[in-house]
Amino acid sequence: TQLLEQSPQFLSIQEGENLTVYCNSSSVFSSLQWYRQEPGEGPVLLVTVVTGGEVKKLKRLTFQFGDARKDSSLHITAAQPGDTGLYLCAGPGDSGGSNYKLTFGKGTLLTVNP
Amino acid sequence: NAGVMQNPRHLVRRRGQEARLRCSPMKGHSHVYWYRQLPEEGLKFMVYLQKENIIDESGMPKERFSAEFPKEGPSILRIQQVVRGDSAAYFCASSRGRYPEGYGYTFGSGTRLTVV
Repeated sequence: TQLLEQSPQFLSIQEGENLTVYCNSSSVFSSLQWYRQEPGEGPVLLVTVVTGGEVKKLKRLTFQFGDARKDSSLHITAAQPGDTGLYLCAGPGDSGGSNYKLTFGKGTLLTVNP
Repeated sequence: NAGVMQNPRHLVRRRGQEARLRCSPMKGHSHVYWYRQLPEEGLKFMVYLQKENIIDESGMPKERFSAEFPKEGPSILRIQQVVRGDSAAYFCASSRGRYPEGYGYTFGSGTRLTVV
């Protein structure tokens, strides 16, 4: 069974601070996706990382996929209140052609205080 | 159609009633997936459908739950004889192709089911 562990579970910071959240697994994933979910809404895809060691930037967000494709991190620079939300990582199943079946971590709930 | 449309947004049912959750995928998307998010748990896969076909229902409880995606109209997730443990947020996602990596999942805003 593939599991994704996210840490920290909760993070509360002040506006302007930097932060990093982590997504770890003992399994290798062919890719990982990061989503942000706001209260009362569905998850919104932020990025997909595919290649081991890959780094992708989305404005103040930097995503990294581990060399062994077992972990990923999300770094936010100069956090803003609008970054508040639940950050989820997810990876596709890779057994028996079930790569459409995403495994999600439980998420990191980020609160950015003004 | 700007995105995946789910309705209702909130649904309250008494124990023993039926719940019907509807999902209209994005235009051009023919793959639909249902996920359930329980309090304190992550999103869990329930079922994957294409038009008129159930591809994988391995995540769906065998009793009381069913799903369909007819040729015309939205996908329906149906829960019969609801119990308190069914209270959760149910999300629908759609994609252009089978594998989410290249195309990405687009999720709807969800239906929050409360069983009283």
